[in-house]
Amino acid sequence: SAVISQKPSRDICQRGTSLTIQCQVDSQVTMMFWYRQQPGQSLTLIATANQGSEATYESGFVIDKFPISRPNLTFSTLTVSNMSPEDSSIYLCSVHRGETQYFGPGTRLLVL
Amino acid sequence: RKEVEQDPGPFNVPEGATVAFNCTYSNSASQSFFWYRQDCRKEPKLLMSVYSSGNEDGRFTAQLNRASQYISLLIRDSKLSDSATYLCVVLTDSWGKLQFGAGTQVVVTP
Repeated sequence: SAVISQKPSRDICQRGTSLTIQCQVDSQVTMMFWYRQQPGQSLTLIATANQGSEATYESGFVIDKFPISRPNLTFSTLTVSNMSPEDSSIYLCSVHRGETQYFGPGTRLLVL
Repeated sequence: RKEVEQDPGPFNVPEGATVAFNCTYSNSASQSFFWYRQDCRKEPKLLMSVYSSGNEDGRFTAQLNRASQYISLLIRDSKLSDSATYLCVVLTDSWGKLQFGAGTQVVVTP
């Protein structure tokens, strides 16, 4: 299994501000994934973060809005920039190990 | 059209009954298939992988039909603790990109 922690677990933010979410994995992984789960929806992949290179973003997501850092093989951050109420969501960090995709506990974000 | 589609439910199931539901996928080149379980306000967790020959894990049985591009999950002898949202997950390429269904909600009642 994989142990993944995220900080903060939840936050309430004002529109126009930015929030950085941290993800820590218990062992080294090549790729870390950031997902978003909007209320009542399933998970949508935002980007894949590889250590030592720029993140790869999925259609509809851009680096200016969701900058990602990957300073080492166990840690990554996702920033939600210039937030609007539409960014209210759960943000999940994820890694692949063996045949299984593991998820962090999620960061619940509410933008007012 | 969504790449992975599920009946959102809810499926209201009396305790002890059997419930089954499907998931369809659009990419015929999809390689691997999974059922994940997500409890309210929690992260998804792997329930079981789905193999071509079908597989069973206790009260849970998963089937894959590649010709019709769907997978199914059957829960026998439902327990109250089976109440959750079941996510159909499809691995679409060798880079590990997963496509998620929106989930099927199951509510087991006493």
